[in-house]
Amino acid sequence: AQSVTQLGSHVSVSEGALVLLRCNYSSSVPPYLFWYVQYPNQGLQLLLKYTSAATLVKGINGFEAEFKKSETSFHLTKPSAHMSDAAEYFCAVSKSDSNYQLIWGAGTKLIIKP
Amino acid sequence: DVKVTQSSRYLVKRTGEKVFLECVQDMDHENMFWYRQDPGLGLRLIYFSYDVKMKEKGDIPEGYSVSREKKERFSLILESASTNQTSMYLCASGRTEYNEQFFGPGTRLTVL
Repeated sequence: AQSVTQLGSHVSVSEGALVLLRCNYSSSVPPYLFWYVQYPNQGLQLLLKYTSAATLVKGINGFEAEFKKSETSFHLTKPSAHMSDAAEYFCAVSKSDSNYQLIWGAGTKLIIKP
Repeated sequence: DVKVTQSSRYLVKRTGEKVFLECVQDMDHENMFWYRQDPGLGLRLIYFSYDVKMKEKGDIPEGYSVSREKKERFSLILESASTNQTSMYLCASGRTEYNEQFFGPGTRLTVL
């Protein structure tokens, strides 16, 4: 069965430090990949998506992610963390036998230390 | 911008009540989804719809039903609310292209 694994339910970084949130997926066909962000008591907002064009994808708020087929990874990075980045981040992959559904990772809470 | 709205941000209901959660999208999307989100369990798909009057069960449909009479509106119904249905409910809509989904703000439902 397809799966999405996000390493670390909580990641803590200092303000100004590099943010790295890890996502590994399994898929039998070339996938579409997504990162979403959720601020407290809000819905999910799309950060960026990979749809088989460029492997390095730039998103909103200075985030980017790189699709690495050989590693089945789609890690999210930001060069310098800001306090406003504190949120929960979800990685998702298109379900291979569906035109509609996504398979979701469990989420990673990003904590920013002052 | 895509807008997905949900009828309530917070809702408190009693055990046994019938509960309606409404979701409306304004981008003519074919697909609409209902998820519930619980701490430690991530997002779990309850039902989705790929066309008007069409619906499919997701991973946890028990205790829920849905209705999609118009393309822009997707309702989630709890026929007889129970305390274990206390949760955050998220609605999403999207096109078939890329399976991309756009989310509403969520409804935090408490069943007493």
